Amino acid sequence: GQQVMQIPQYQHVQEGEDFTTYCNSSTTLSNIQWYKQRPGGHPVFLIQLVKSGEVKKQKRLTFQFGEAKKNSSLHITATQTTDVGTYFCAGIQGAQKLVFGQGTRLTINP
Amino acid sequence: GAGVSQSPSNKVTEKGKDVELRCDPISGHTALYWYRQRLGQGLEFLIYFQGNSAPDKSGLPSDRFSAERTGESVSTLTIQRTQQEDSAVYLCASSLVTGPRLYGYTFGSGTRLTVV
Repeated sequence: GQQVMQIPQYQHVQEGEDFTTYCNSSTTLSNIQWYKQRPGGHPVFLIQLVKSGEVKKQKRLTFQFGEAKKNSSLHITATQTTDVGTYFCAGIQGAQKLVFGQGTRLTINP
Repeated sequence: GAGVSQSPSNKVTEKGKDVELRCDPISGHTALYWYRQRLGQGLEFLIYFQGNSAPDKSGLPSDRFSAERTGESVSTLTIQRTQQEDSAVYLCASSLVTGPRLYGYTFGSGTRLTVV
């Protein structure tokens, strides 16, 4: 079945530094979604990318979908302590089921 | 309701006992999903419902796991003869589906299951 791989597994940064997590799929994705899970919380939907080469921004967060629709990235500019958490990408498998990556856990030194 | 509601929020059970976890999705969301998350791990797909049918139950780990859904409403996940490896957070999510388009999932707060 489809595999969605995320790197790095962990990332520790100083507050104010940038952060990027990468997502790669073994197959072409029809779309990709990103979620954030705060420590002790549940995943919260951030965004969905559908088009090849698509770039979307949410304040300091920039999401990209690769031209071949097999990879995606999330970049956070000038991290803040509120950005702490685990970021998951997820791709569609079959009709309506999301397959999640293992996530990138971001910790920040204030 | 305003969000996805799961109960109980915490459950401690003895090995070998049966447990039932409940999920109440957002009204109007036809798709409902169960995932399992072990401590510090990613989300492991269990089963998904479209209405009250389950097109994909491929993630259920064994025949001790079963799930059902009443109409486009409440779902229950049942684990029989619980084992210590069943300890995890069980997350339920629902989403709106219109034709082939998939919207973002809304997750509940989860049920933390501990088997002792």
